[in-house]
Amino acid sequence: AQTVTQSQPEMSVQEAETVTLSCTYDTSESDYYLFWYKQPPSRQMILVIRQEAYKQQNATENRFSVNFQKAAKSFSLKISDSQLGDAAMYFCAYRSAFGNEKLTFGTGTRLTIIP
Amino acid sequence: DGGITQSPKYLFRKEGQNVTLSCEQNLNHDAMYWYRQDPGQGLRLIYYSQIVNDFQKGDIAEGYSVSREKKESFPLTVTSAQKNPTAFYLCASRPTDSYNSPLHFGNGTRLTVT
Repeated sequence: AQTVTQSQPEMSVQEAETVTLSCTYDTSESDYYLFWYKQPPSRQMILVIRQEAYKQQNATENRFSVNFQKAAKSFSLKISDSQLGDAAMYFCAYRSAFGNEKLTFGTGTRLTIIP
Repeated sequence: DGGITQSPKYLFRKEGQNVTLSCEQNLNHDAMYWYRQDPGQGLRLIYYSQIVNDFQKGDIAEGYSVSREKKESFPLTVTSAQKNPTAFYLCASRPTDSYNSPLHFGNGTRLTVT
């Protein structure tokens, strides 16, 4: 079974600085999808960014980018120019590309932005 | 606007009572999901449905039941057999036309059982 590990329960960053959230996963599959979701205090889950395992190029969405290391099974999220609105829980998630509908989540990292 | 509606936002029940959480979507998505969120444990899959009149158990289905009689609706019943029902419940949906399509989530229902 696939597992997703987020080893940083909490992180903090100064406003306008850059922070990297870690995520590792365990799988024997060769093709899969990886996601980062954000959950602000409102508790609404919001997609931040996604990566397809067969693509070597790291995904980027404005201030958010990933460092996808397939061999190391690592999928970290970098937030540049951190803003107060980035404060939230961040969840890493994995889904197989082989007919399995299940999305497996990590335990989350709580990000605090220091003004 | 298209989206997923979960109601109510807060729900209180006495121990031993069954309770049904509502989830409605107008996104025309085929697949729907129920997740449970507890502090420090991330999101865990309870049930999911890829098509009307069909659904599958997730990782923690014991004590829960679902139905999918309409594409738009996927209610979750928390039965008295669920030992620790107090939690935050999230409903989600996604189109099944591609595997990389992300989940769209509702705003959640906080269930408290005393």
